[in-house]
Amino acid sequence: QVQLQESGPGLVKPSETLSLTCTVSGGSISSNYWSWIRQPPGKGLEWIGYINYSGRTNYNPSLKSRVTISGDTSKNQFSLKLSSVTAADTAVYYCARQEFSSTWYNWYFDLWGRGTLVTVSS
Amino acid sequence: QSVLTQPPSASGTPGQRVTISCSGTSSNIGSNTVNWYQQLPGTAPKLLIYANNQRPSGVPDRLSGSKSGTSASLAISGLQSEDEADYHCAAWDDSLNGWVFGGGTKLTVL
Repeated sequence: QVQLQESGPGLVKPSETLSLTCTVSGGSISSNYWSWIRQPPGKGLEWIGYINYSGRTNYNPSLKSRVTISGDTSKNQFSLKLSSVTAADTAVYYCARQEFSSTWYNWYFDLWGRGTLVTVSS
Repeated sequence: QSVLTQPPSASGTPGQRVTISCSGTSSNIGSNTVNWYQQLPGTAPKLLIYANNQRPSGVPDRLSGSKSGTSASLAISGLQSEDEADYHCAAWDDSLNGWVFGGGTKLTVL
């Protein structure tokens, strides 16, 4: 079955760039849409952006100026870069697959990675 | 501040029926379908309801979803201790051109 696994540094200094990778096993990033979602400690979920099967990206307007999502089909991975981080970017970061139901014409996140905690601190 | 509004907490005793609300606007819930996710403590969210009221395989039928206008609800009947979790609603927002979530509701089984 398809599985997602996030990886990357757990500690990033303020003003630096947060970099995470999501490795997809049992499936291909050349199909579907693939998102990054984060959850600050004790708070709700926030969608960061997605990359689709053709490499098209779409970002949360509130983060757009600092976010880059890219894909590497040879490694079946997609990555997140978030620049100029502050303490407010401390969160558990999840990667997730976005699936489409043609029956109900509905998109939803059907698979999630376990998440990785990134702390922004000097 | 989340775009979709959920009560921060809800509670019930075993066997009871509880509902969790999710309020939005015409650009999100009013124009698109709603999905619900369950997040057990220390774990990733799991899809519970999609397309307002559809259950993925393996989700029991004592969980149900509904939508009316710019609001949606998740109902859990026959409450069980394993239902104790955080519940999140989500919808696509046409104005933001992106996904929006509720702040999450922590369900406690007393």
